[in-house]
Amino acid sequence: QVQLVQSGAEVKKPGASVKVSCKASGYTFTTYGINWVRQAPGQGLQWMGWISPSNGNTNYAQKLQDRVSMTTDTSTNTAYMDLSSLRSDDTAVYYCARGDPQSYYSDHWGQGTLVTVSS
Amino acid sequence: DIQMTQSPSSLSASVGDRVTITCRASQSISTYLNWYQQKPGKAPKLLIYAASSLQSGVPSRFSGSGSGTDFTLTISSLQPEDFATYYCQQSYINPLTFGGGTKVEIK
Repeated sequence: QVQLVQSGAEVKKPGASVKVSCKASGYTFTTYGINWVRQAPGQGLQWMGWISPSNGNTNYAQKLQDRVSMTTDTSTNTAYMDLSSLRSDDTAVYYCARGDPQSYYSDHWGQGTLVTVSS
Repeated sequence: DIQMTQSPSSLSASVGDRVTITCRASQSISTYLNWYQQKPGKAPKLLIYAASSLQSGVPSRFSGSGSGTDFTLTISSLQPEDFATYYCQQSYINPLTFGGGTKVEIK
């Protein structure tokens, strides 16, 4: 069955960077994209960007474009999301999700990774 | 960016009720509209994609309709496990924006 397993919770200081991993299994990693979505405490869902593991192409949300980097390692079927220059309003649960290659909807999700930014 | 507006933001309903949630896009998105269900502390779950296609494994009491700018998610007979927050999302153009959510609570 399709599974996306994310790395554990992180606590970071303002200005630091965080890297969240997402290991995929149960399907051919390169035939789907990976969406990254975050959710601040008590808030709604915010799409951060998309990466295609087959060719490394990315699309980032403009508001995060200067601080976010998404990569994949096809040898381990793992996607990574790097967010730099962290601020307190980056505190959120970060999700990876498998993305349909034609219509970009997310049909399977990771369990989420809580990133807390606090001095 | 395309703005997605859901209504209502919350509703109270009883088991067995028919529930309708609407989602309006700020510009036409054809049928690139998806619905997700999220329970507290859990990841979202895809219910409907492409406006009206039921995701595998999702009960048939869930249905979606609409095209262009106006969309609807209907739960034909609300079950206890359906109390959750529902989000629409457009996947027509980047950024893939979500609606603000509709919380369905027990009456």
